[in-house]
Amino acid sequence: AQSVSQHNHHVILSEAASLELGCNYSYGGTVNLFWYVQYPGQHLQLLLKYFSGDPLVKGIKGFEAEFIKSKFSFNLRKPSVQWSDTAEYFCAVNDRAGGTSYGKLTFGQGTILTVHP
Amino acid sequence: NAGVTQTPKFQVLKTGQSMTLQCAQDMNHNSMYWYRQDPGMGLRLIYYSASEGTTDKGEVPNGYNVSRLNKREFSLRLESAAPSQTSVYFCASSEHVSPRQFFGPGTRLTVL
Repeated sequence: AQSVSQHNHHVILSEAASLELGCNYSYGGTVNLFWYVQYPGQHLQLLLKYFSGDPLVKGIKGFEAEFIKSKFSFNLRKPSVQWSDTAEYFCAVNDRAGGTSYGKLTFGQGTILTVHP
Repeated sequence: NAGVTQTPKFQVLKTGQSMTLQCAQDMNHNSMYWYRQDPGMGLRLIYYSASEGTTDKGEVPNGYNVSRLNKREFSLRLESAAPSQTSVYFCASSEHVSPRQFFGPGTRLTVL
C-alpha cells in the first residue's frame, strides 16, 4: 500500500523567507506526484504535478517541486514566500499503473504554513 | 460553471441520526470521489465512482454508503452517525479515473 509522509506539521515563516516542505512516499511501483494547497476557507486546489520527464516541476504562484526518485521524495519549494501563501499544503501520490485504482490519491498529513507579514 | 458543489456546508448531528451529503459537478466528468479530512491525517478516500453506475470502496468506507445518482451527482450517506465521523468531507471529480481531481468546498460535519 502507498503511504505519504509530510514531516512538518506547522511551519511559520516571515515574508521573503525561503520555503521547503518535505514529502516522502512509500510505494514499490511508479507513481505520479502532486502538491495541493488549501487556502483558509477554500477548497483544495492543484499546485503542481509530476507525471514524467524533468524532475523539477514548476507550478502556480512561484512554487516548484523536485522529484528525487532515489530518495522517494517530492519536496515543495518557494524562494520567497508571501503572506498570501498562508495555507495548508498536501502532498499526494497515485499509482501510475492504472486500472480502476489510477484515480485513487493517497494524501500526506498536510503541512500548515503561516507567513507573518 | 460552478465546478463541484456540495450541500450542506455545515451540519450537526446527534449520534445515531442519518443524513446524506450531496455533491454535484457541472464539468461533465465521469469520475467522482468522496474524501474525509481529519487533522493530522490528510485526506482519506471513502468511496469513489469511476463512471456512472459504478462505485468502489476507498481507504475508509465503513459506516458510509454512496449513490451515483447520475453522471452529475454523487451522494454520501451516513446511516447511523457516530462521533468518529466528525470531519470535513470533500467531494471531487475528474474527467476519467485520474489523479487530476477538482475539489468541492467541503461539508463540515459534527456528530455529538
